[in-house]
Amino acid sequence: DAKTTQPTSMDCAEGRAANLPCNHSTISGNEYVYWYRQIHSQGPQYIIHGLKNNETNEMASLIITEDRKSSTLILPHATLRDTAVYYCIVFLTGGNTGKLIFGQGTTLQVKP
Amino acid sequence: NAGVTQTPKFQVLKTGQSMTLQCAQDMNHNSMYWYRQDPGMGLRLIYYSASEGTTDKGEVPNGYNVSRLNKREFSLRLESAAPSQTSVYFCASSDSPFITGPQHFGDGTRLSIL
Repeated sequence: DAKTTQPTSMDCAEGRAANLPCNHSTISGNEYVYWYRQIHSQGPQYIIHGLKNNETNEMASLIITEDRKSSTLILPHATLRDTAVYYCIVFLTGGNTGKLIFGQGTTLQVKP
Repeated sequence: NAGVTQTPKFQVLKTGQSMTLQCAQDMNHNSMYWYRQDPGMGLRLIYYSASEGTTDKGEVPNGYNVSRLNKREFSLRLESAAPSQTSVYFCASSDSPFITGPQHFGDGTRLSIL
């Protein structure tokens, strides 16, 4: 599975867009990019995933570069409840057994 | 719809004691997972069950055993607890490991071993 690199921490003003980057330069063609977040003391929460195309759901948008070597998670209007650790994970389906490899993640602090 | 339920939520053990952490999901998922999370670290996979009747080791299986009791339930057992096993344990489930889709996590069991 490809490794990911994320900044250790980021700040964002409440109401503004939070853009969380992730580098995955060794990603292979059939590996998906997944994002999870973990709010303090809770279990991880799935946010979004994608393969090649940009994706949007009710929580966030995922922008994947054309060469797929990096991606950005966008929270369009961050709130204080979005303060959490965000994990970017690349994940091979079909070839392994569904094992998510969590790295250190990015701690996002949303400030009033 | 409860999702993934873990019991107990908190537990304190003495070194050498045994205990079983319980996990149940009501989403009819085929695959289930056990992770541990230590302070300042991401989650590490202990064991997983791709489907009912199968279990496999993850990244850190030493000192643990698992049982996939049925499709709903996946338990994690510590036969002889050690202080190094003090951690937060998360159970997760997913439709299938071989298709895309999210893993759904429980709220964790906080285990302290003295």
